[in-house]
Amino acid sequence: GIQVEQSPPDLILQEGANSTLRCNFSDSVNNLQWFHQNPWGQLINLFYIPSGTKQNGRLSATTVATERYSLLYISSSQTTDSGVYFCAVSGGTSYDKVIFGPGTSLSVIP
Amino acid sequence: DGGITQSPKYLFRKEGQNVTLSCEQNLNHDAMYWYRQDPGQGLRLIYYSQIVNDFQKGDIAEGYSVSREKKESFPLTVTSAQKNPTAFYLCASSTRRPGQQYFGPGTRLTVT
Repeated sequence: GIQVEQSPPDLILQEGANSTLRCNFSDSVNNLQWFHQNPWGQLINLFYIPSGTKQNGRLSATTVATERYSLLYISSSQTTDSGVYFCAVSGGTSYDKVIFGPGTSLSVIP
Repeated sequence: DGGITQSPKYLFRKEGQNVTLSCEQNLNHDAMYWYRQDPGQGLRLIYYSQIVNDFQKGDIAEGYSVSREKKESFPLTVTSAQKNPTAFYLCASSTRRPGQQYFGPGTRLTVT
């Protein structure tokens, strides 16, 4: 099945700094999502982005499907951005099966 | 309010007992999913369903069972055959073929 990798695994930022999180996948995708999991475990969908670029406030995402990667940009980070960021995809021979990457754990310190 | 509900939030069981976790959605979504998350780990797919009365195994289906008798409901049973059932269980739904997923708040299951 499709494989998903995320980098870096851990990231510590000073408040106000910018960051880029990366998601690589091993096959063509028909679905790519970015999620934020808060300290209480709730998963919030940030972007549904199988291709192209989207922006929402301080966050933006770009997926280059032909090169099999997606990037999540966080600008002017805030302490509330802390948590785990997951990339999730479906595609290849299993286009109904949504698989999650291992996540990037982000800590934003004041 | 539209959304996904999971109950209970915390669940404690003795080893050897089956336990059923509830997941209900009123988003009119066709697809529903169950994931398991262990501490410090990512989400692993247990079962998914694209339509009523049909479901498929995910990557870690052994020791679990599901049913999909209604569009709104996708209960997960953790059986006594599941060797390490203590985990955080998350349910999600989406439009078919799959679209943007929405997650419930999760159920933390502890088996002793």
